[in-house]
Amino acid sequence: GDSVTQMEGPVTLSEEAFLTINCTYTATGYPSLFWYVQYPGEGLQLLLKATKADDKGSNKGFEATYRKETTSFHLEKGSVQVSDSAVYFCALLGRWGKFQFGAGTQVVVTP
Amino acid sequence: NAGVTQTPKFRILKIGQSMTLQCAQDMNHNYMYWYRQDPGMGLKLIYYSVGAGITDKGEVPNGYNVSRSTTEDFPLRLELAAPSQTSVYFCASTGGPGELFFGEGSRLTVL
Repeated sequence: GDSVTQMEGPVTLSEEAFLTINCTYTATGYPSLFWYVQYPGEGLQLLLKATKADDKGSNKGFEATYRKETTSFHLEKGSVQVSDSAVYFCALLGRWGKFQFGAGTQVVVTP
Repeated sequence: NAGVTQTPKFRILKIGQSMTLQCAQDMNHNYMYWYRQDPGMGLKLIYYSVGAGITDKGEVPNGYNVSRSTTEDFPLRLELAAPSQTSVYFCASTGGPGELFFGEGSRLTVL
């Protein structure tokens, strides 16, 4: 069945460092791919999405490119801030309407 | 717009009791989902529905049941509550390959 695998955390970075969170997926057909973010004590918010191969989603300085050949959707940000400290979830919407999330990666940015 | 409304927000159950978590959305979304999020963990899909009268199991359906008699409502039934069902439950909906709209969550404790 469909599944999402993302790198384990926590990932601890200094402010202005480069962030990468790896995400790979297994799915039948061509799923839509998403990154969601959960700030402490809050619900999940959509960060960015891509609905077909080679699409690049971007928002708030974050980017991710839908790579069909490597079944990946890695999240990147060039210069993180303390306010980026959160849990990041990779997700896919599969062929039959199943919307599944990865296990989440906690990111901690220190001043 | 109310969006996705979940009730109750908090509930304490005794082992073996049953209850229903209510979820309603007013966005005319076809796709609805129930997830559980255990402390420090990701979201696990319990059940989902792609339209009225259609439901399907997710990753962790045991101990739960759902129904979808209308587009708006997607209640989650817990039969014979167990301590392992202590979690935060999120209902979500979407109209297609786009943003998932989440309810505020229902925190359930089984003692």
